[in-house]
Amino acid sequence: SQTIHQWPATLVQPVGSPLSLECTVEGTSNPNLYWYRQAAGRGLQLLFYSVGIGQISSEVPQNLSASRPQDRQFILSSKKLLLSDSGFYLCAWSVRTGVGQFFGPGTRLTVL
Amino acid sequence: SQKIEQNSEALNIQEGKTATLTCNYTNYSPAYLQWYRQDPGRGPVFLLLIRENEKEKRKERLKVTFDTTLKQSLFHITASQPADSATYLCAPPVSDKIIFGKGTRLHILP
Repeated sequence: SQTIHQWPATLVQPVGSPLSLECTVEGTSNPNLYWYRQAAGRGLQLLFYSVGIGQISSEVPQNLSASRPQDRQFILSSKKLLLSDSGFYLCAWSVRTGVGQFFGPGTRLTVL
Repeated sequence: SQKIEQNSEALNIQEGKTATLTCNYTNYSPAYLQWYRQDPGRGPVFLLLIRENEKEKRKERLKVTFDTTLKQSLFHITASQPADSATYLCAPPVSDKIIFGKGTRLHILP
């Protein structure tokens, strides 16, 4: 069966520090991969999605970037965190567009 | 622009009754719509997908309807249980991505 891993579970970082969040999927090949952010009391915001290695679509202009170095690995990065980057970051996968997505456990990021 | 609206007020339902949650969309016609459940501090869990040519879809105690004329989907939980308490998210697609509503918090009261 398929599983999705995210780490770390929680992270506290100072403003201006770099960020790297990792997501990996097991048990499937060539999945669509997604990064979402959920700010407190707000809905899920799609940040990036990828339909294949090296293919990244950015939804929101910001100081974050994403990379997909391997088929089942998706990385969210920032060179310099802002206070507004605080939130709950979720990685998800799907077999293709137009079907249900399966979410990881999330990373709670607090930028101080 | 496309808009998705879910009742932002929390919904309190007595255990054993049917809970009905509403999702309205405007300014477009999605070909399908998904529903997810989210518990506090966890990622959403996919529940059901209903397509525009399906009026109704069921899964155990869950039932989803899709009225393309009213531009509305209803999500029903029959014989509700306290364990059904969670936030339920409606998610129709916009172009090749799905857009999540803000969700409705459901409390099943014992």
